[in-house]
Amino acid sequence: GESVGLHLPTLSVQEGDNSIINCAYSNSASDYFIWYKQESGKGPQFIIDIRSNMDKRQGQRVTVLLNKTVKHLSLQIAATQPGDSAVYFCYTGMRFGAGTRLTVKP
Amino acid sequence: DAMVIQNPRYQVTQFGKPVTLSCSQTLNHNVMYWYQQKSSQAPKLLFHYYDKDFNNEADTPDNFQSRRPNTSFCFLDIRSPGLGDAAMYLCATSRERTGVSEQFFGPGTRLTVL
Repeated sequence: GESVGLHLPTLSVQEGDNSIINCAYSNSASDYFIWYKQESGKGPQFIIDIRSNMDKRQGQRVTVLLNKTVKHLSLQIAATQPGDSAVYFCYTGMRFGAGTRLTVKP
Repeated sequence: DAMVIQNPRYQVTQFGKPVTLSCSQTLNHNVMYWYQQKSSQAPKLLFHYYDKDFNNEADTPDNFQSRRPNTSFCFLDIRSPGLGDAAMYLCATSRERTGVSEQFFGPGTRLTVL
């Protein structure tokens, strides 16, 4: 079955630094990938997506990179802010990854 | 604003007492999902509806049932809640099946089983 996992369960960064959150997936047939942000007590919120015909996509302060060769997905957050503190999930097919808790220190 | 609404936000039930959680959407999306999320874990898909077509995950216990009487509403029925069913239950919608469009999540219902 599908296996979607993250390398780092927790990440702590200083305000203003860049953050990188990683995700590995196992289903090579996956062709659509999403990053969600979940704040405490709330449902997951869409951040950015990417399709398998791309290897990079940029949003506002966020960039998603897709490496299909090694089945790896990453989310980069530029100039991390306290409001970015949350759990981040990658999502592909019908599965969420394990999640990474990002803590931003002021 | 168009959104996904879940009621109630907090639900307390007794062990073995049936409980129903509600979800409604104003997005007019074809697909509605129910997830179970336990503390510090990823949401786990229980089942989803594509229009009226019900799709159950293989490992979803029989204790969990769902109804979708119309496009806007979807219900999660837990027939005999056990202590292990205490969790956050998330409803989500998407325009098309997952794999081609993002999901929009409600705020969740936190279920406590006494």
